[in-house]
Amino acid sequence: DTEVTQTPKHLVMGMTNKKSLKCEQHMGHRAMYWYKQKAKKPPELMFVYSYEKLSINESVPSRFSPECPNSSLLNLHLHALQPEDSALYLCASSQQGVHEQYFGPGTRLTVT
Amino acid sequence: GESVGLHLPTLSVQEGDNSIINCAYSNSASDYFIWYKQESGKGPQFIIDIRSNMDKRQGQRVTVLLNKTVKHLSLQIAATQPGDSAVYFCAEKDYGQNFVFGPGTRLSVLP
Repeated sequence: DTEVTQTPKHLVMGMTNKKSLKCEQHMGHRAMYWYKQKAKKPPELMFVYSYEKLSINESVPSRFSPECPNSSLLNLHLHALQPEDSALYLCASSQQGVHEQYFGPGTRLTVT
Repeated sequence: GESVGLHLPTLSVQEGDNSIINCAYSNSASDYFIWYKQESGKGPQFIIDIRSNMDKRQGQRVTVLLNKTVKHLSLQIAATQPGDSAVYFCAEKDYGQNFVFGPGTRLSVLP
């Protein structure tokens, strides 16, 4: 199984809502990543988990809260988002110390 | 030809021709350089990588060239096919887990 799955595929939320994005992989990868991608732009790294511990946080606002409950799951909790947070949120995983990342299809988020 | 402007740079090539996609990077300390392909509605897909101590690496129909003197990376695709149409990103990685993607180039394969 070389697949990274993300749910939901699409999400529309108001600025006062709380929602969560979910990512799952069963490749035994111990590094997992969240990226944000705006239209016609490259993915921007938000968070990196290594062995379920947050190792990189690229100065992301606190309205985004990552969680890694176990080595296969990665969540991104969303609260009080702004319309400019609307984007494609991509999850990826890789073997620890290896740079070949496997990406999920992303969650298309719209904040109204 | 290639066009650069307010929109994503686009490279148009005839089917069967070779494609060359270029990328400039900024961090001299980057350890690995990676090329990704992103098709519409999908996440990026790993194509090929090259370590900073190499200057050329070949895969199936693809070759990556690295010129550290001018901080330049290129991806060559041989015999370009319609299925190669996508946005291509280069990415650089430092000795940690920090990946930085370049702006991307849209490859359009003409019949």
